[in-house]
Amino acid sequence: DVKVTQSSRYLVKRTGEKVFLECVQDMDHENMFWYRQDPGLGLRLIYFSYDVKMKEKGDIPEGYSVSREKKERFSLILESASTNQTSMYLCASSLSRGREKLFFGSGTQLSVL
Amino acid sequence: GDSVTQMEGPVTLSEEAFLTINCTYTATGYPSLFWYVQYPGEGLQLLLKATKADDKGSNKGFEATYRKETTSFHLEKGSVQVSDSAVYFCALSHSGGGADGLTFGKGTHLIIQP
Repeated sequence: DVKVTQSSRYLVKRTGEKVFLECVQDMDHENMFWYRQDPGLGLRLIYFSYDVKMKEKGDIPEGYSVSREKKERFSLILESASTNQTSMYLCASSLSRGREKLFFGSGTQLSVL
Repeated sequence: GDSVTQMEGPVTLSEEAFLTINCTYTATGYPSLFWYVQYPGEGLQLLLKATKADDKGSNKGFEATYRKETTSFHLEKGSVQVSDSAVYFCALSHSGGGADGLTFGKGTHLIIQP
């Protein structure tokens, strides 16, 4: 069965810390995505990647970076966490360009204190 | 830019009631349209999709028809169950948009009471 795994379900960090959110997919998908989900705002795309070592900015990339060293792993990095980055973070993947069905992980609820 | 507007909840219904969740979109060209569902504590999963005008997507008793003339993709179900309680997201993607992600609405929280 298709699986997208996010390393942590809940995470609590302090302002200014460097934070890594990890996502792994076992479906050999080319595309991977990071979204954040906030009440009243829905899902917003932070970054995506359509190949190893490739990355593209989404709608709200400020304050974030990403890394994709291997096809199955896509990491979201908060260089210096701030309280306004408290959110639910969702990772997703899709088979290839033009295949729009996204498979989502269960999410990481990040709290920045 | 592209956008999706859907009714905000929570929407509360009794079991076996008829459900409609409205969704309209703004986009250039001919996007594909989707409904995703998020059950409590889980990620989103695809519920149904339609890729061209007048297409009807259906799954698990849910249906939605791609209406180009009204730029709408309303979700319907004839008789809801308690297990349908979840957050529902309408989304769009342009063809070839698999690598560019989807544009989502804000989500509609549906609560079904026994």
